[in-house]
Amino acid sequence: SQTIHQWPATLVQPVGSPLSLECTVEGTSNPNLYWYRQAAGRGLQLLFYSVGIGQISSEVPQNLSASRPQDRQFILSSKKLLLSDSGFYLCAWAGDPSYEQYFGPGTRLTVT
Amino acid sequence: KQEVTQIPAALSVPEGENLVLNCSFTDSAIYNLQWFRQDPGKGLTSLLLIQSSQREQTSGRLNASLDKSSGRSTLYIAASQPGDSATYLCAVENSNYQLIWGAGTKLIIKP
Repeated sequence: SQTIHQWPATLVQPVGSPLSLECTVEGTSNPNLYWYRQAAGRGLQLLFYSVGIGQISSEVPQNLSASRPQDRQFILSSKKLLLSDSGFYLCAWAGDPSYEQYFGPGTRLTVT
Repeated sequence: KQEVTQIPAALSVPEGENLVLNCSFTDSAIYNLQWFRQDPGKGLTSLLLIQSSQREQTSGRLNASLDKSSGRSTLYIAASQPGDSATYLCAVENSNYQLIWGAGTKLIIKP
């Protein structure tokens, strides 16, 4: 069966510091991968999605970036965090045949 | 541009009642529609997925319907339990495998 992992679970970082969040998927190959952000009391915002290694599409211009160095690994990064980057970051995968999206447990990021 | 609306924003009912959550979307050209559940501070759990060619899907006490032509979906929860308390999210998927989300319905089931 497929599983999706995210780490860390929680993170407190000062403004201006770098960020690296990791997401890995097991039990499937060539999945579509997604990064979402959920701000407090708000809906989900799609940040990046990837249909293959090295293929990243950005939905929202910001100081975040994403990379997919391996088929089942998706990384969200920032060189300098802003206060507005605080939120709940969720990774998801989808694949054949239905492309139903499955979510990881999330990372709660607080920028101080 | 696709927009997804969920009504009501919040709902509180006594345990044991049957209830309906509503989701509407503006563009009928969807690939599928998914219903999710989110518990406070947790990730999302996929409940039901309805392909664009389907009318409904059932899982246990949950039944989701889809009327593409009118841009509507409903999630029916039978015999509600306190453990059903959560935020329920509706999302439609476009042909680029991207989900467009509703704002959610916060459901509270009172014991």
